Amino acid sequence: SAVISQKPSRDICQRGTSLTIQCQVDSQVTMMFWYRQQPGQSLTLIATANQGSEATYESGFVIDKFPISRPNLTFSTLTVSNLSPEDSSIYLCSVEDFWTGAYEQYFGPGTRLTVT
Amino acid sequence: QQPVQSPQAVILREGEDAVINCSSSKALYSVHWYRQKHGEAPVFLMILLKGGEQKGHDKISASFNEKKQQSSLYLTASQLSYSGTYFCGTQTGANNLFFGTGTRLTVIP
Repeated sequence: SAVISQKPSRDICQRGTSLTIQCQVDSQVTMMFWYRQQPGQSLTLIATANQGSEATYESGFVIDKFPISRPNLTFSTLTVSNLSPEDSSIYLCSVEDFWTGAYEQYFGPGTRLTVT
Repeated sequence: QQPVQSPQAVILREGEDAVINCSSSKALYSVHWYRQKHGEAPVFLMILLKGGEQKGHDKISASFNEKKQQSSLYLTASQLSYSGTYFCGTQTGANNLFFGTGTRLTVIP
């Protein structure tokens, strides 16, 4: 399966600033996704990062707040803009891999964001 | 369209069995199961497809009842390493994955 890395692994940011999270995969993948996981909660899909076109956002998430780039088939970035304490969360990227005859999703290690 | 899992939490002694259920209000194309340990990313366990059979490896298996839009994860002869939060993820087509509410499993010696 694909090996996924994320940078940074954690950060503490001030209110009103932005944080950009990088996701790097060791092989080319078609589908990349960004999730948010608030403490003790389930995972919520933010958007699908489409290579060469705009990301597809889920209900409740907008491009101005969560701009995403996907310049090639192995890399994506998620920016969380105009940070507020409510944005404190773990952000995970995932990729879809066709491994056992079905499209499985694998996750990166996550980025823990704390907004003060 | 978040799937609902039950139970929310369960405590087992080593060697005991557990069943975790995942239920959706929508017709499902596939169900994925993940385990997440505290502070770590979710780890893929298995995927069940519509029309598919029961799956499993080692002492963890799962079934998918597409008519009832339900899936169950079976853990037999539990080990300490099974502790963590289990999530199901559901797809209603070849589209995005929506994760369930989670089940916290604790295995004690």
